[in-house]
Amino acid sequence: SQQGEEDPQALSIQEGENATMNCSYKTSINNLQWYRQNSGRGLVHLILIRSNEREKHSGRLRVTLDTSKKSSSLLITASRAADTASYFCATDPQTSGSRLTFGEGTQLTVNP
Amino acid sequence: NAGVTQTPKFRVLKTGQSMTLLCAQDMNHEYMYWYRQDPGMGLRLIHYSVGEGTTAKGEVPDGYNVSRLKKQNFLLGLESAAPSQTSVYFCASSQPVAGNQPQHFGDGTRLSIL
Repeated sequence: SQQGEEDPQALSIQEGENATMNCSYKTSINNLQWYRQNSGRGLVHLILIRSNEREKHSGRLRVTLDTSKKSSSLLITASRAADTASYFCATDPQTSGSRLTFGEGTQLTVNP
Repeated sequence: NAGVTQTPKFRVLKTGQSMTLLCAQDMNHEYMYWYRQDPGMGLRLIHYSVGEGTTAKGEVPDGYNVSRLKKQNFLLGLESAAPSQTSVYFCASSQPVAGNQPQHFGDGTRLSIL
């Protein structure tokens, strides 16, 4: 079964609104990463948060990590139509070496 | 820099045929990975390599073989293609600092098995 599970599976918002996606996982991790995938393209790394960090920012992205609840959230502020994509969380379990386990993704649609 | 390049981009095979997918990276990364992506399933790891000449099984290795003869290349082979192997295949690479480096992905190979 997938280590990471995203919620919701799909999200549709208007341009300018904020988008929040959540990720839950099952085992202890070294870090959690978020990736973006545009239609027909490969995944692109957005942000990495280590297990000893609680919050991280990068431009319009804000990621939080709660290791006690085994969950993370990705917030995209002031969304743009160009943010339309699928977003995946990926966990690096402590027993996996450098392997990542990906969730099933959240499909975000930002309407102009 | 091209990053991670996958060839071919599209391919249609008949059941039982064989083929090899090629992944090349120009970032001097030690680690390379092959994933498949199916609707509703996310990415699943097929095989991976932690260095030239090494390979290891991932989550769904059956029906696939890999080779890493050169550091920059990682080949994925299907010996006898089956319809269940219809999928989009992604290659990725990363640096060998465990747990702290992102993976860099190619744009995928879309494979259909008839």
